[in-house]
Amino acid sequence: KAGVTQTPRYLIKTRGQQVTLSCSPISGHRSVSWYQQTPGQGLQFLFEYFSETQRNKGNFPGRFSGRQFSNSRSEMNVSTLELGDSALYLCASSSVSGRTADTQYFGPGTRLTVL
Amino acid sequence: GQSLEQPSEVTAVEGAIVQINCTYQTSGFYGLSWYQQHDGGAPTFLSYNALDGLEETGRFSSFLSRSDSYGYLLLQELQMKDSASYFCATRENAGNMLTFGGGTRLMVKP
Repeated sequence: KAGVTQTPRYLIKTRGQQVTLSCSPISGHRSVSWYQQTPGQGLQFLFEYFSETQRNKGNFPGRFSGRQFSNSRSEMNVSTLELGDSALYLCASSSVSGRTADTQYFGPGTRLTVL
Repeated sequence: GQSLEQPSEVTAVEGAIVQINCTYQTSGFYGLSWYQQHDGGAPTFLSYNALDGLEETGRFSSFLSRSDSYGYLLLQELQMKDSASYFCATRENAGNMLTFGGGTRLMVKP
């Protein structure tokens, strides 16, 4: 099975711009979660989508949003970028049944730099 | 909310055994997971404990005590490739919302 894929792998934007990141989960996985990783704050949960519905949301401002499509692919969007949004954005997919239901499989991440 | 504490750094020699501790405070608890992340890489799943006790997967074992809100990851027969950051994580509900500890950077020396 192919793993979780994320595009693009690297992005450079300027303050005030917006960005859209894409994630394709492992085939058959219906849960997609997004995390932000920074040296200062570590790994922080952004949101989770399951069957096109947001199931959980972390403590991030409304500038961060996401969605999931019927094929389970997910996108996240950050509007009005700030310098502090520079981070590695990780997507993780999970099965919701079976013995691997408690395992999240992470993609390689998108490295976003805001100048 | 959730908070997890783990040591920031641990150093050990090749062939040794190392234990990485994790204490947590949670409003809900659906198990303790461990992830490994090499520099420049993505986190990869190592182990999961929903119930008290020890789970063993090859050279890695993980332990959980729910009454003590405590768990640990045990790495045996350390290899150089085990040099990485290790994160404990909990879920507070049945969804896939993980709260991670700050990570423990393990350095394995020859």
